[in-house]
Amino acid sequence: DAGVIQSPRHEVTEMGQEVTLRCKPISGHNSLFWYRQTMMRGLELLIYFNNNVPIDDSGMPEDRFSAKMPNASFSTLKIQPSEPRDSAVYFCASISSEANTGELFFGEGSRLTVL
Amino acid sequence: DQQVKQNSPSLSVQEGRISILNCDYTNSMFDYFLWYKKYPAEGPTFLISISSIKDKNEDGRFTVFLNKSAKHLSLHIVPSQPGDSAVYFCASANSGYALNFGKGTSLLVTP
Repeated sequence: DAGVIQSPRHEVTEMGQEVTLRCKPISGHNSLFWYRQTMMRGLELLIYFNNNVPIDDSGMPEDRFSAKMPNASFSTLKIQPSEPRDSAVYFCASISSEANTGELFFGEGSRLTVL
Repeated sequence: DQQVKQNSPSLSVQEGRISILNCDYTNSMFDYFLWYKKYPAEGPTFLISISSIKDKNEDGRFTVFLNKSAKHLSLHIVPSQPGDSAVYFCASANSGYALNFGKGTSLLVTP
């Protein structure tokens, strides 16, 4: 079975540019999460969706960040405009809400570098 | 504010010996706890979990201990192997909510 698929794996951009990260969750999973990993803060939750509806976006750093989930098989995380401090690895994860173990399945991440 | 804390950024252990990774949490509402393992350039993968009704869960070489009164959990790896070298993240949550992760502990198992 295919796991969580993220693209791009690596993105290098200049400050001020728009960045769009994409995620395809595991088929059948109805909860999707975006996390960001940095050395300073570790893995921090940005936003999560349940049945395509955003449930908690309190972790989104500021208005430059936005996330959408137009359907059950696709989500985007957009940064506009990007800044050097946004450089990090962004992970998408999914889970079935029927699972009671809390075991999230993560993608391989998108490494973003903003120059 | 970090609700899950891993105060040791790194740990080095000799092959064959026990590795003990520690984690503290602040939210008494958390009722399940997980450990994830992460290799470079890969996403975290689930390793082992424990619910708040237990104080120990074992899976092969891996055992997780939970001390609710101290809000502390630990992961024991016995015996440690070089392939265990990775970053280990502790995570916890209240049922139905998203996982809160610690900053991770980088484990190096030397031959």
